[in-house]
Amino acid sequence: DAGVIQSPRHEVTEMGQEVTLRCKPISGHNSLFWYRQTMMRGLELLIYFNNNVPIDDSGMPEDRFSAKMPNASFSTLKIQPSEPRDSAVYFCASSLKFLGQGYTEAFFGQGTRLTVV
Amino acid sequence: GEDVEQSLFLSVREGDSSVINCTYTDSSSTYLYWYKQEPGAGLQLLTYIFSNMDMKQDQRLTVLLNKKDKHLSLRIADTQTGDSAIYFCAERRNQGGKLIFGQGTELSVKP
Repeated sequence: DAGVIQSPRHEVTEMGQEVTLRCKPISGHNSLFWYRQTMMRGLELLIYFNNNVPIDDSGMPEDRFSAKMPNASFSTLKIQPSEPRDSAVYFCASSLKFLGQGYTEAFFGQGTRLTVV
Repeated sequence: GEDVEQSLFLSVREGDSSVINCTYTDSSSTYLYWYKQEPGAGLQLLTYIFSNMDMKQDQRLTVLLNKKDKHLSLRIADTQTGDSAIYFCAERRNQGGKLIFGQGTELSVKP
């Protein structure tokens, strides 16, 4: 398996533009996580899905952020409109959730470095 | 609160042992993890420990868990320059799948 695949690797955009980040989880994994990493706040969980259903989006900063998982092999994180303070590295991770509460470890993608100017 | 705490920097000489410390908050956490992040890369799982264990050893890595004090440590024996990276500890809460990360400890290994 190629691991968790994120695209693009780098994105530079102007303030006010819409940005869409993409993630393909590991095949067979049924949990997907979006994290944001900044120097100031470290790694923050934005949202996670189990079986394509959003479970906890309490980390999503504001209404400008939205995430979807239309099927088990694809997820998007959209920022509209983007602002300079959204500049960060955005990571996607996936894991396998067993019946009950158990999960395997989370495998991370390489991240998307977003710069909003 | 939700904080997982780590010291931000650690500098050691090549060949010495490194010990990276972490404190967490949720006593019901089931698994505790150590991830490594090299510059420009994603997070790579190094090792993990289940909450009913005190210690886990994996080659040069030793994880110690003190549940009473909610303290986790990662010892790297015979540290090499290739070990230079940021190390994150993370706890998986008992409810749901959330992984809560510490701020990361930047390990610098000097020759």
